[in-house]
Amino acid sequence: DAGVIQSPRHEVTEMGQEVTLRCKPISGHNSLFWYRQTMMRGLELLIYFNNNVPIDDSGMPEDRFSAKMPNASFSTLKIQPSEPRDSAVYFCASNDEGAGELFFGEGSRLTVL
Amino acid sequence: QQQVKQSPQSLIVQKGGIPIINCAYENTAFDYFPWYQQFPGKGPALLIAIRPDVSEKKEGRFTISFNKSAKQFSLHIMDSQPGDSATYFCAASPDNYGQNFVFGPGTRLSVLP
Repeated sequence: DAGVIQSPRHEVTEMGQEVTLRCKPISGHNSLFWYRQTMMRGLELLIYFNNNVPIDDSGMPEDRFSAKMPNASFSTLKIQPSEPRDSAVYFCASNDEGAGELFFGEGSRLTVL
Repeated sequence: QQQVKQSPQSLIVQKGGIPIINCAYENTAFDYFPWYQQFPGKGPALLIAIRPDVSEKKEGRFTISFNKSAKQFSLHIMDSQPGDSATYFCAASPDNYGQNFVFGPGTRLSVLP
């Protein structure tokens, strides 16, 4: 069974550009999480969806960040406009009913110049 | 009070050694303590988890020890191998719902051949 699939794996962009990160959760999982990982702050939860509905977005750093889940098999995290301090690895994770083991994707490494 | 402290930040051991990673928390409502293992370029993956009703849990070469009164828990890796070289994250949560996980900052382990 395929795991959580994220794209792109690497993204290099210039400050001010729009960035869109994509995630396909494990089939059958109805909960999806977006995390950001940096050396300074470790793993931070940005937003959590259950049944395609955003439940908790208190971790989204500011209005430049937005996330959507139009259906059970696809989610996007968008940063517009991007800034150098957004450089990080962004992980998507999924599980069933929000409980138990989190299954992480391989991450999207974002570099904003 | 929501923080999970983790030490050391990095650890180098020889093959066959027993690295120990320690975590501490303040929130007495935490009731679920998973450990995640992350290899370079990969997402974190669940290694082992414990609830405070037991003082120790073993899975293969990995053991979690839990001290409820001290609000501390630790990961021991017996007969460590170079393939165990990874970053290890402890986490704590009042339940096993992923949205509530608080991750420690991580420990980078290197096992030398």
